[in-house]
Amino acid sequence: GENVEQHPSTLSVQEGDSAVIKCTYSDSASNYFPWYKQELGKGPQLIIDIRSNVGEKKDQRIAVTLNKTAKHFSLHITETQPEDSAVYFCAASKNGKGIIFGKGTRLHILP
Amino acid sequence: DAGITQSPRHKVTETGTPVTLRCHQTENHRYMYWYRQDPGHGLRLIHYSYGVKDTDKGEVSDGYSVSRSKTEDFLLTLESATSSQTSVYFCASEDNSGNTIYFGEGSWLTVV
Repeated sequence: GENVEQHPSTLSVQEGDSAVIKCTYSDSASNYFPWYKQELGKGPQLIIDIRSNVGEKKDQRIAVTLNKTAKHFSLHITETQPEDSAVYFCAASKNGKGIIFGKGTRLHILP
Repeated sequence: DAGITQSPRHKVTETGTPVTLRCHQTENHRYMYWYRQDPGHGLRLIHYSYGVKDTDKGEVSDGYSVSRSKTEDFLLTLESATSSQTSVYFCASEDNSGNTIYFGEGSWLTVV
């Protein structure tokens, strides 16, 4: 089955700097790659996603890149703000069989 | 937001007792999922459903059963709760037009 690896497990960046989180997946048939943000005591919230026919997608300060050949994808957050502090999960999915998550990255934005 | 509500939100139960968690969605989504979240393991898929009465196992299904008698409701049952099932349980449903999956707010279960 699918396996998703996520790095780093913890990331601290200065406010205003950029943060990058990287993931790899094992199943070449996976075709959907969402990113979720989870705040304490809440459920994961979708922040951006990318499908296998696209190499990059951007939404304001966040962007995701996908390299299908290497089977890895990354989340980029620019101009980080205190409210970006949270746990971020990458995931991979193929056609409605549930998504498999990475183990998460705890992002700390330092003042 | 797919209007997903979970109940109960918090529960403490004793080892060996049955427990049922309920998930209700208001978007007529076909696919629904149950995940558990534990430190160091992230979110792991327990069971999923692709329609009324159609369910399948995920990666950590042992000790759990599910039922889907109506499109809007997906129940997760622990037949005989064990301490290893202490966890936070998240229900999710998938947008019918694509793969977008929305999560509920979670159910905190403690088995003592």
